[in-house]
Amino acid sequence: DTEVTQTPKHLVMGMTNKKSLKCEQHMGHRAMYWYKQKAKKPPELMFVYSYEKLSINESVPSRFSPECPNSSLLNLHLHALQPEDSALYLCASSPGGPAGGEQYFGPGTRLTVT
Amino acid sequence: GIQVEQSPPDLILQEGANSTLRCNFSDSVNNLQWFHQNPWGQLINLFYIPSGTKQNGRLSATTVATERYSLLYISSSQTTDSGVYFCAAVMPLSGSSNTGKLIFGQGTTLQVKP
Repeated sequence: DTEVTQTPKHLVMGMTNKKSLKCEQHMGHRAMYWYKQKAKKPPELMFVYSYEKLSINESVPSRFSPECPNSSLLNLHLHALQPEDSALYLCASSPGGPAGGEQYFGPGTRLTVT
Repeated sequence: GIQVEQSPPDLILQEGANSTLRCNFSDSVNNLQWFHQNPWGQLINLFYIPSGTKQNGRLSATTVATERYSLLYISSSQTTDSGVYFCAAVMPLSGSSNTGKLIFGQGTTLQVKP
């Protein structure tokens, strides 16, 4: 099974709201990632977790706050977002090892900030 | 950093036609991934191919690492092949030996007409 799941599929939030995106994998992967994708652009890396510890933050604004409660789950907490944060948010996981191994993506959460 | 370029940027085919998509990368890579992003945003893994040739049904991929390019072949195209095809170089992340970063090309948008 090479499935990564994400909830919700769609999310509309106001600039003063707090919401969370969830990602889950049961492949035993030890590396998990958050990517952001704007329309007609490739995905851009935001955060990387290795063995449940944050290892990379690609200079992401603090209104995005990642969390890895256990080896299967990854959350992205959102607060005081701006309309330009509207995008497709993708979660991925990989088994680990040199350069992390093959990455598998979830279906994404399409976020609209009003 | 490494640059990944894809060509052509757009491609329109009649159903049943064959096509070749190209991915050039500017430096040595640990590995290379090919993805198909469907109209709903899901990134589907096609190939994980550091070198050589792999085949999966109507699709095949060849990576020539010494010459820094990879090719994706689609034979007997179908309307369900429509979408965006991304290649991504897999690079290790500094400070994190267990994870990697995907450096995406800009994608090839394929439309297959019935």
